[in-house]
Amino acid sequence: GEDVEQSLFLSVREGDSSVINCTYTDSSSTYLYWYKQEPGAGLQLLTYIFSNMDMKQDQRLTVLLNKKDKHLSLRIADTQTGDSAIYFCAVYSGGYQKVTFGIGTKLQVIP
Amino acid sequence: NAGVTQTPKFRILKIGQSMTLQCTQDMNHNYMYWYRQDPGMGLKLIYYSVGAGITDKGEVPNGYNVSRSTTEDFPLRLELAAPSQTSVYFCASSYQGTSGGTDTQYFGPGTRLTVL
Repeated sequence: GEDVEQSLFLSVREGDSSVINCTYTDSSSTYLYWYKQEPGAGLQLLTYIFSNMDMKQDQRLTVLLNKKDKHLSLRIADTQTGDSAIYFCAVYSGGYQKVTFGIGTKLQVIP
Repeated sequence: NAGVTQTPKFRILKIGQSMTLQCTQDMNHNYMYWYRQDPGMGLKLIYYSVGAGITDKGEVPNGYNVSRSTTEDFPLRLELAAPSQTSVYFCASSYQGTSGGTDTQYFGPGTRLTVL
């Protein structure tokens, strides 16, 4: 089955850029997502990218997809303290229940 | 729209007790899911449903049961609670058309369950 891997922790200073990385194994993955989870809350979809795209930009968020290396990244520009959260990478390979989540990367923003 | 709602927010159970975690969505989504989240383990799928009357096991179904009698509701039942079921439980829903879709999932706020 699909395997999605992320690092556990990232610490950045306020105002810097954050880059959260994710690798996956299923080359037939069609949609790739980034979810954000704030303390005590459920997951909230931040953005997603279709597998035929290399990049997607949405305000401060930039998603990069390298299909050859099966690598997905989320860049947050001008990181703010409100960006402190856990970020989950998720990959959809089609069919019933084929979304696989990574374990989440905890982003800590230092003022 | 309230989105996906879950009750209760918190619950403490004794070993062997049973309970039902409620989940309701008002977005007319056909797919619904139950996940558990353990520290450092990400999300594990317990059960899912592709429509009213249809449910199927996910990755970690043992100790749980579900039903889907309506489009809106997808309760999760724990029959004999065990300490290993201490976790945060999330319900989610999505819409999948006949030609497929993005399966963007919308999550509820979670139920934090402790079994002592």
